[in-house]
Amino acid sequence: QKEVEQDPGPLSVPEGAIVSLNCTYSNSAFQYFMWYRQYSRKGPELLMYTYSSGNKEDGRFTAQVDKSSKYISLFIRDSQPSDSATYLCAMNNAGNMLTFGGGTRLMVKP
Amino acid sequence: DTGVSQDPRHKITKRGQNVTFRCDPISEHNRLYWYRQTLGQGPEFLTYFQNEAQLEKSRLLSDRFSAERPKGSFSTLEIQRTEQGDSAMYLCASSDTNYGYTFGSGTRLTVV
Repeated sequence: QKEVEQDPGPLSVPEGAIVSLNCTYSNSAFQYFMWYRQYSRKGPELLMYTYSSGNKEDGRFTAQVDKSSKYISLFIRDSQPSDSATYLCAMNNAGNMLTFGGGTRLMVKP
Repeated sequence: DTGVSQDPRHKITKRGQNVTFRCDPISEHNRLYWYRQTLGQGPEFLTYFQNEAQLEKSRLLSDRFSAERPKGSFSTLEIQRTEQGDSAMYLCASSDTNYGYTFGSGTRLTVV
């Protein structure tokens, strides 16, 4: 079993929908939780990070971490076709290497 | 500073040849990471430098792989005697915090 699990999708939604992306993990030592967006043939781009448990909001994006359940989520409100990409969750323990999920491919249809 | 630069963007090589990739991190960042990503998968950690010291290496990094970061600036990743299984995107990232990892656009390696 992988340390970080993520549903590969693809997830197809209509424009304007609320998108929910999720990851589960097994290593309780993880402290920093990140979401990256990756367009085809590009490197991952950091969207948001959260330290420990709680919620964080940035524009249309909300990240949630539930350490008791070892479960993290990313919500995208008012989704746009430009949000179509692969979304990767990643986590680490205080500056060590990031451990990534396998990524969820999202398609937002106009 | 324009972010993390990687060169070349794409490399096609014959099996058995050696290849070398270069990464130029963000200049203020003292941490540098190499990752490998295959199609449909998330990036997998290969190795990590703090300044010029290589502090961690993954079991994925066989003895055919070597990485250097002379003087704590740019880094190179060399693969000797390439195999078809080495075909992947090789990503470099740099950071100066526990969460602010900036990735380059990667080098796509195709071994034929």
